Amino acid sequence: GDSVTQMEGPVTLSEEAFLTINCTYTATGYPSLFWYVQYPGEGLQLLLKATKADDKGSNKGFEATYRKETTSFHLEKGSVQVSDSAVYFCALSPSSNTDKLIFGTGTRLQVFP
Amino acid sequence: DTEVTQTPKHLVMGMTNKKSLKCEQHMGHRAMYWYKQKAKKPPELMFVYSYEKLSINESVPSRFSPECPNSSLLNLHLHALQPEDSALYLCASSQGAEKLFFGSGTQLSVL
Repeated sequence: GDSVTQMEGPVTLSEEAFLTINCTYTATGYPSLFWYVQYPGEGLQLLLKATKADDKGSNKGFEATYRKETTSFHLEKGSVQVSDSAVYFCALSPSSNTDKLIFGTGTRLQVFP
Repeated sequence: DTEVTQTPKHLVMGMTNKKSLKCEQHMGHRAMYWYKQKAKKPPELMFVYSYEKLSINESVPSRFSPECPNSSLLNLHLHALQPEDSALYLCASSQGAEKLFFGSGTQLSVL
């Protein structure tokens, strides 16, 4: 079945460091891909998305490019801030059922001053 | 209003109790979702309602009973739960999986 695999965390960085969180997926057809973020004690918020191959999603300095050839959707940010500390979930929506959202296991990011 | 409101925020119940979780949205979204999230795990889809009809049930045990009284409300009725059902229960709404809006969840403890 369709699935998402993320790198295990936690990822620990100093402020202004470069961030990469890896995400790969397995799916039939052409899924849509997402990154959601969850701050402590809160629900999830959509960070960015891409709906077709080679699309780049971006928001708040975060970027991810939909790579069909490598089935990847890695999250990057050039300079992280303490306020970016959260859990980041990669997710896909199968082309066969656009009401379904399948999450990866999540990666905790900790940024220190 | 882009909020999904969930009540209560915290719930403690015994294994013989009956309780309900409530979720409300006023964004006119056609789809509403229940997810279960255990600590340090990703959310797991339980149910999806589309246009007030149950469209997805991810083989959830019958001790969880969803209800969608109207397009703005979603309930999850709980009966005879087990301690392993303790988790954060998240409600979400959307016009499709393009963008889900999540509530902050109900933290459920089953004793």
